[in-house]
Amino acid sequence: AQSVTQLGSHVSVSEGALVLLRCNYSSSVPPYLFWYVQYPNQGLQLLLKYTSAATLVKGINGFEAEFKKSETSFHLTKPSAHMSDAAEYFCAVSPSTSGTYKYIFGTGTRLKVLA
Amino acid sequence: KAGVTQTPRYLIKTRGQQVTLSCSPISGHRSVSWYQQTPGQGLQFLFEYFSETQRNKGNFPGRFSGRQFSNSRSEMNVSTLELGDSALYLCASTRRGAPDTEAFFGQGTRLTVV
Repeated sequence: AQSVTQLGSHVSVSEGALVLLRCNYSSSVPPYLFWYVQYPNQGLQLLLKYTSAATLVKGINGFEAEFKKSETSFHLTKPSAHMSDAAEYFCAVSPSTSGTYKYIFGTGTRLKVLA
Repeated sequence: KAGVTQTPRYLIKTRGQQVTLSCSPISGHRSVSWYQQTPGQGLQFLFEYFSETQRNKGNFPGRFSGRQFSNSRSEMNVSTLELGDSALYLCASTRRGAPDTEAFFGQGTRLTVV
């Protein structure tokens, strides 16, 4: 069965510092991968997605992620954290062989940005 | 373009009651899926509907059910509510329900069972 592991349920960074949120997936075939962000009392908003095109994916708000098949990873990065980046981030996998839509989410990482 | 609309936003119910939540997808989107979000279990897939047919179902008891109407609007129903059903229920829509497509989420319905 496919699964997603997000290392670190809480991450704190200083404003202006690098943001690195880790995501590893388990799948026998390369799946489709997504990063979503959730602000308090809100739904989820897509940051970026990997669908087997370029392995380095750029998303909104300066975020990007690199798909590394050898490491089964899809870590999310941002060069310089902003206070508005404080939120919860979810990595999700969509099985490419299923033919239908279904996300499997990681447990989430809550990002705190320190002034 | 209007986003995914979920109603109501907040709901308080008593154990044993039943509840119906509503989701209106983005215009033109034919796939609607539902997720339960709790602090302990995170985001868990409930079910997905496409053109009024349930295509996928998560690992939830039969008390959780749903349906989709011809206009793609969807409802989910939880019968015989338990305290553990307290959660944020999120609805998401996609245009064609393919695995590589982006899902658009509503703001959710926060259900509290007392």
